[in-house]
Amino acid sequence: SQQGEEDPQALSIQEGENATMNCSYKTSINNLQWYRQNSGRGLVHLILIRSNEREKHSGRLRVTLDTSKKSSSLLITASRAADTASYFCATGNSGNTPLVFGKGTRLSVIA
Amino acid sequence: SAVISQKPSRDICQRGTSLTIQCQVDSQVTMMFWYRQQPGQSLTLIATANQGSEATYESGFVIDKFPISRPNLTFSTLTVSNMSPEDSSIYLCSVPGGRVLSNEQFFGPGTRLTVL
Repeated sequence: SQQGEEDPQALSIQEGENATMNCSYKTSINNLQWYRQNSGRGLVHLILIRSNEREKHSGRLRVTLDTSKKSSSLLITASRAADTASYFCATGNSGNTPLVFGKGTRLSVIA
Repeated sequence: SAVISQKPSRDICQRGTSLTIQCQVDSQVTMMFWYRQQPGQSLTLIATANQGSEATYESGFVIDKFPISRPNLTFSTLTVSNMSPEDSSIYLCSVPGGRVLSNEQFFGPGTRLTVL
């Protein structure tokens, strides 16, 4: 069953603005990950944050995790038209276990 | 990282027929996962496929409807049997990234299935 709830479901911004997407989950986790999907194609792993971490950066991406609130946010700074995609959070445990995905946010960046 | 290919990339099928989707990985992996993504929805795990054993299905998915083969460590197939329009989805396979303390996954490009 799906664990993550994401908001907003859809987000439309101008190029150069920042985009913030939120994710909430229900059970204890080992890590939380964010994936990107372009136009119904395969998913690309963006960033992983472990349960003992509070914030992580990768390029223009910033992820926060609040385990007390069971929530995470993904910030994309200085957005570009090429960032237009669907973004999913996914929770998992260590090792070879499957992921549980959130509902996703459809981001549109308008040039 | 793993490179994963899927065949076919898309297909349009008639109700009542079956389609077999292939997933090929460029390295040996113990586990492979099959997900379904219905139109406009998120991913839902169908089953976990281990080489040398029966696939483990999630609630709501059964072997008769979604038989899976895992003949070796680089290949798996998922069959969607006796299809109906409700089976129209993107089907994706994935493999773990391989790091002990992380379970990031690598995904194939997906198979977009439309059932008429």
